[in-house]
Amino acid sequence: AQTVTQSQPEMSVQEAETVTLSCTYDTSESDYYLFWYKQPPSRQMILVIRQEAYKQQNATENRFSVNFQKAAKSFSLKISDSQLGDAAMYFCAYAIIQGAQKLVFGQGTRLTINP
Amino acid sequence: DVKVTQSSRYLVKRTGEKVFLECVQDMDHENMFWYRQDPGLGLRLIYFSYDVKMKEKGDIPEGYSVSREKKERFSLILESASTNQTSMYLCASSLQPRMGTEAFFGQGTRLTVV
Repeated sequence: AQTVTQSQPEMSVQEAETVTLSCTYDTSESDYYLFWYKQPPSRQMILVIRQEAYKQQNATENRFSVNFQKAAKSFSLKISDSQLGDAAMYFCAYAIIQGAQKLVFGQGTRLTINP
Repeated sequence: DVKVTQSSRYLVKRTGEKVFLECVQDMDHENMFWYRQDPGLGLRLIYFSYDVKMKEKGDIPEGYSVSREKKERFSLILESASTNQTSMYLCASSLQPRMGTEAFFGQGTRLTVV
């Protein structure tokens, strides 16, 4: 069974600093997607960034980037120049590409931004 | 603008009641999902559906059932609500793999069973 593990229940960072959130996953599949979702206090889950496993280049979206290590099954999220609006729960997620898509989430990391 | 709508944000039900949570999406997505979210456990998949009338059990299907009679609507049913089903329920939808796969979520329903 596929599993996703986020070992940091809570993280905090000073505004304008950089923070990295960790995620590891377990799968026997070779082709899959990985995602980071953000859930602010409004509860609306929003996609932050996605990575396709067959692409070696790490995905980047403005201040958000990932470090994808396929062999190590690691997928960390780096947030640069942290802003107060980045405060939220962050979830790492995994989905296989073949067959019925099943989206599996980690436990979440609560990120606090200190002004 | 894409939209996934859950029928209630807050719901209070009594133990033993039959509870229906409704979810509607307007994006013509094939996949729809029901998750429950509990502190420290993240989002756990209850059921998902990849086509009309098709459903698959997720990781925690016990005590739940689902219905998908139309492509845009996916209902979660608690046959006989129990206090351990008090939780946040999130509905999501997505296109088939290789056509996008980004999941779009509803606002969530916070269900309390008393």
